[in-house]
Amino acid sequence: NAGVTQTPKFRILKIGQSMTLQCTQDMNHNYMYWYRQDPGMGLKLIYYSVGAGITDKGEVPNGYNVSRSTTEDFPLRLELAAPSQTSVYFCASSNNEKLFFGSGTQLSVL
Amino acid sequence: AQKITQTQPGMFVQEKEAVTLDCTYDTSDPSYGLFWYKQPSSGEMIFLIYQGSYDQQNATEGRYSLNFQKARKSANLVISASQLGDSAMYFCAMSGASGGSYIPTFGRGTSLIVHP
Repeated sequence: NAGVTQTPKFRILKIGQSMTLQCTQDMNHNYMYWYRQDPGMGLKLIYYSVGAGITDKGEVPNGYNVSRSTTEDFPLRLELAAPSQTSVYFCASSNNEKLFFGSGTQLSVL
Repeated sequence: AQKITQTQPGMFVQEKEAVTLDCTYDTSDPSYGLFWYKQPSSGEMIFLIYQGSYDQQNATEGRYSLNFQKARKSANLVISASQLGDSAMYFCAMSGASGGSYIPTFGRGTSLIVHP
């Protein structure tokens, strides 16, 4: 049972480059989330989705975009990467109680 | 709006002793859930325990228990018989319906170090 699968695990970007972080879940959860975790901090919500075709901004959406064309997939797009986006990114899905996390993506923007 | 507060940036405990990690919350939602997650140095988020706001009894999962005091809006995590492997960051979180959507909110975390 795969749960939540996130790729890649590590990535280094140059300032101004773009990339997509992939997230897939196989638990048929309606709710999916993208969080970022800066060093020594908790998780801040970037975007979330309550179902296919529906997305909404979280606390720190600037510089990011998402889409939810299927229940399973919730990719996060970084446009014009900036050093401030250096962080660890977590994708999660929920059954309205427990959050199931992916293994995280460590992103550095240099 | 929901808010989670963890006031202990760091905690130290002797192996085999019990430790309590504090968590207070604020919400206007009548129904909500409270969670604790463990994040070891490897970085993954490990679910520990869940408490629903209408649950009559405090949640327990092995050595973990959640001391839920609804009137005081606190949801402290108690770890009994600490082990060296319990050294990690611990995050308290809550999930309530905001406009009909469940949006989990996390605290800033408490770093626990277990001494031999």
